[in-house]
Amino acid sequence: AAGVIQSPRHLIKEKRETATLKCYPIPRHDTVYWYQQGPGQDPQFLISFYEKMQSDKGSIPDRFSAQQFSDYHSELNMSSLELGDSALYFCASSLAEGSSYEQYFGPGTRLTVT
Amino acid sequence: AQSVSQHNHHVILSEAASLELGCNYSYGGTVNLFWYVQYPGQHLQLLLKYFSGDPLVKGIKGFEAEFIKSKFSFNLRKPSVQWSDTAEYFCAVSLYSGGGADGLTFGKGTHLIIQP
Repeated sequence: AAGVIQSPRHLIKEKRETATLKCYPIPRHDTVYWYQQGPGQDPQFLISFYEKMQSDKGSIPDRFSAQQFSDYHSELNMSSLELGDSALYFCASSLAEGSSYEQYFGPGTRLTVT
Repeated sequence: AQSVSQHNHHVILSEAASLELGCNYSYGGTVNLFWYVQYPGQHLQLLLKYFSGDPLVKGIKGFEAEFIKSKFSFNLRKPSVQWSDTAEYFCAVSLYSGGGADGLTFGKGTHLIIQP
């Protein structure tokens, strides 16, 4: 079965640079979530989108922005990168219809800021 | 804001031992409850979930969990663990809002090591 696709899988950036992470949800899924997992930490919810509209907001820094496009894929834009932004960024998707709350996670993008 | 507490950060068991991982959440409203597993170097995989109905839910790989509303708990159990169960286990909660797009709040995780 098709899963959530994230690209790139690994990304190395320098401080103050920008980065864009992409997420392609499971086909037919209309909801996308972004999470940040620091080394040895639990995943922290950043933001979610349903039908291209922001649905829920967590601990997303102001330097980060995200959007969902008409084909339901999503992009997380990160500016003025800091060393502390080094983490694994997960995207998850779900289908809102039928009250399904199962979030299926992608493999993650490992961002290293040097 | 809701929070999730996992009591055991590191658990070491021998193969065939029984497992119970504790999870408590703090929120007075209706919640959806999940257990996720993360094998080394891999992404999160859903083990089981509770939305409503029978408080005893069964998941994949022989895992089960019991929702006890009065105790705000959702403990994970497995009668006999295997070496392949070595992984990080996360309990997670989302608020029931009807929209299905609420982010999950995770516990700190339990690192489970199964010794052959």
